[in-house]
Amino acid sequence: EAQVTQNPRYLITVTGKKLTVTCSQNMNHEYMSWYRQDPGLGLRQIYYSMNVEVTDKGDVPEGYKVSRKEKRNFPLILESPSPNQTSLYFCASRPQGFGANVLTFGAGSRLTVL
Amino acid sequence: AQSVTQLDSQVPVFEEAPVELRCNYSSSVSVYLFWYVQYPNQGLQLLLKYLSGSTLVKGINGFEAEFNKSQTSFHLRKPSVHISDTAEYFCAVSDQGQGGKLIFGQGTELSVKP
Repeated sequence: EAQVTQNPRYLITVTGKKLTVTCSQNMNHEYMSWYRQDPGLGLRQIYYSMNVEVTDKGDVPEGYKVSRKEKRNFPLILESPSPNQTSLYFCASRPQGFGANVLTFGAGSRLTVL
Repeated sequence: AQSVTQLDSQVPVFEEAPVELRCNYSSSVSVYLFWYVQYPNQGLQLLLKYLSGSTLVKGINGFEAEFNKSQTSFHLRKPSVHISDTAEYFCAVSDQGQGGKLIFGQGTELSVKP
């Protein structure tokens, strides 16, 4: 089944404790992206990647890092989480190409930072 | 740059009634338009998209949307809703470039009551 898989789905952590949210897709998509969803703000892009070893900042990149060493994986790293990073996070992917802007989303990772 | 405004944050409606979820966008270039749906505790899935051609677009689950270029709107409609349509709905826009970034609205929570 074609899908985007995120782990963990739920995580409670404390301020300053490094964590990684993994994202993997099995559709051979070039483009991958991370979003955070907050009430009343919709989805905001954190980082995206057009292909392996190519990453770029989205609208809200502060406090996050990403890497794209393999095509299928795009982990989101919080080096020193803070309470304002408590949110629902989504990974998404799509193929490249004109008119191909339809994203496939993961099920989400709910993160709470105490 | 593009932006999206969903005019209603919450829409309560009774089962079998018609519903319209409003979306306006702004852009200086030609755009693609999307509606995504997020059921409780799930990721987003594509409901419908407008890329070109007919301005009336039909999607899954009986939803449709009309692209109105002069009013820069892309309102979502369903003639008769079901309890199972209760979800959050997101309007999104991207430019027509190959690397078009998807910009999301704030979301509209549709609540269908028996």
